Amino acid sequence: RKEVEQDPGPFNVPEGATVAFNCTYSNSASQSFFWYRQDCRKEPKLLMSVYSSGNEDGRFTAQLNRASQYISLLIRDSKLSDSATYLCVVHYSSASKIIFGSGTRLSIRP
Amino acid sequence: GAGVSQSPRYKVAKRGQDVALRCDPISGHVSLFWYQQALGQGPEFLTYFQNEAQLDKSGLPSDRFFAERPEGSVSTLKIQRTQQEDSAVYLCASSQSLAGQTNTGELFFGEGSRLTVL
Repeated sequence: RKEVEQDPGPFNVPEGATVAFNCTYSNSASQSFFWYRQDCRKEPKLLMSVYSSGNEDGRFTAQLNRASQYISLLIRDSKLSDSATYLCVVHYSSASKIIFGSGTRLSIRP
Repeated sequence: GAGVSQSPRYKVAKRGQDVALRCDPISGHVSLFWYQQALGQGPEFLTYFQNEAQLDKSGLPSDRFFAERPEGSVSTLKIQRTQQEDSAVYLCASSQSLAGQTNTGELFFGEGSRLTVL
């Protein structure tokens, strides 16, 4: 079992729709959580950190559920420019690893 | 620019050749990571440096892979006797924060070195 698991998708949704992704992690010692965005043939870039209390940045909302060991990303009013791969990222405080999930592909159609 | 710079951007190697991939992190960044990303997959952790010290190399897939950061700045990932399964994009990332800290800072990635082994 991979340390960080995501549904690979692709998610194909119409512009304006709300879409949500989940990510599960296996190590309860995980300390910090993030969502990164990666456009085709580009490098990953930080989208947002994920805090225990949940956090929102414009149309994007991230949630953390430590008891069930998953994090989620919600995108409201999706735009064509949201089409990308979304990578779930977990940092283990007991180690120096920052682990990426395999990514969820999102495609927004007009 | 002030971002992470990687070279070469593209490398084609014949099976059995040695290759060296270079990473210039953002100036002053303590932490440096190497990742391997195969097509359609997420980045897979290879190794981590804190300044010049290689604190974690558990992700290196075989002893053909070697990384160094002798002066705590530029890093080189070397792959000896390349195999076809080594074909991937090799991403370097740097961060101001230490990986062992509670609050991990943002990782800044280079554009990657795309390695194709024939």
